[in-house]
Amino acid sequence: DAGVTQSPTHLIKTRGQQVTLRCSPKSGHDTVSWYQQALGQGPQFIFQYYEEEERQRGNFPDRFSGHQFPNYSSELNVNALLLGDSALYLCASSRGPSGGSPLHFGNGTRLTVT
Amino acid sequence: GQQLNQSPQSMFIQEGEDVSMNCTSSSIFNTWLWYKQDPGEGPVLLIALYKAGELTSNGRLTAQFGITRKDSFLNISASIPSDVGIYFCAGIQGAQKLVFGQGTRLTINP
Repeated sequence: DAGVTQSPTHLIKTRGQQVTLRCSPKSGHDTVSWYQQALGQGPQFIFQYYEEEERQRGNFPDRFSGHQFPNYSSELNVNALLLGDSALYLCASSRGPSGGSPLHFGNGTRLTVT
Repeated sequence: GQQLNQSPQSMFIQEGEDVSMNCTSSSIFNTWLWYKQDPGEGPVLLIALYKAGELTSNGRLTAQFGITRKDSFLNISASIPSDVGIYFCAGIQGAQKLVFGQGTRLTINP
C-alpha cells in the first residue's frame, strides 16, 4: 500500500522562475493538502483540495496555486519565485476533507531558490 | 502565520530517561495531534486526541488533551535511541487545517 508520494525530491530554481510540485495521495484518500515548512519551523498550511476544488486556503499569496486531478493527485505551482520560498513543501492526504480522517504526509520536496 | 507555542525547543537527555513536552495556544482546538519528523522525511502521526481531558497512550508515548482545549502535552517513557527526532504538536482548525508548533528537537545520549 503506497503512502503519499511526492516528486521531485529536490529542486533548485532561480528567483523569478516558476515551479510545479507533484503529489500522489495514499491509496483510498481523496483529499490533498499542501504545507510549507521553512528550516527550523513547523509546517504552514497553504491550501486543501477536494473534488478538484480548492476548499481552504492559508495566508499565502496568489503566486501559490494548485490543482487536483480526477485521480486525486495534485500539483502545487509557485510563480515568480522569491528567495523566501526556499523550503520543504509537504503534501498530505486524507479520506474526506472534514477532519475525521488523520492526515498522512509525504516526504516532501526540498525547494531551493537562488 | 499562526503557530502553537511548543516547549521546550530542544532537549538533551540520557537513554532511558522520560521526556515531557507541551504545547499551548491562545485559540481553542477541537483536535490535537502529535507528530514526529525524522531528517529527510515528512511528519508521522503518533497520537490523535479528540476530546478535552482525553488521555491517550501509544506504547511508551502518552498524550493528553487539556481541559481548556488550549493545550496538550506529550510524554515519552524510557527513551531509546530511535526516539531521536523533532516532535510537533498540531491543532486542527476548521476542516483539517493543521496549525503546527515550532517543534521540540530531541537528542539522546547513549
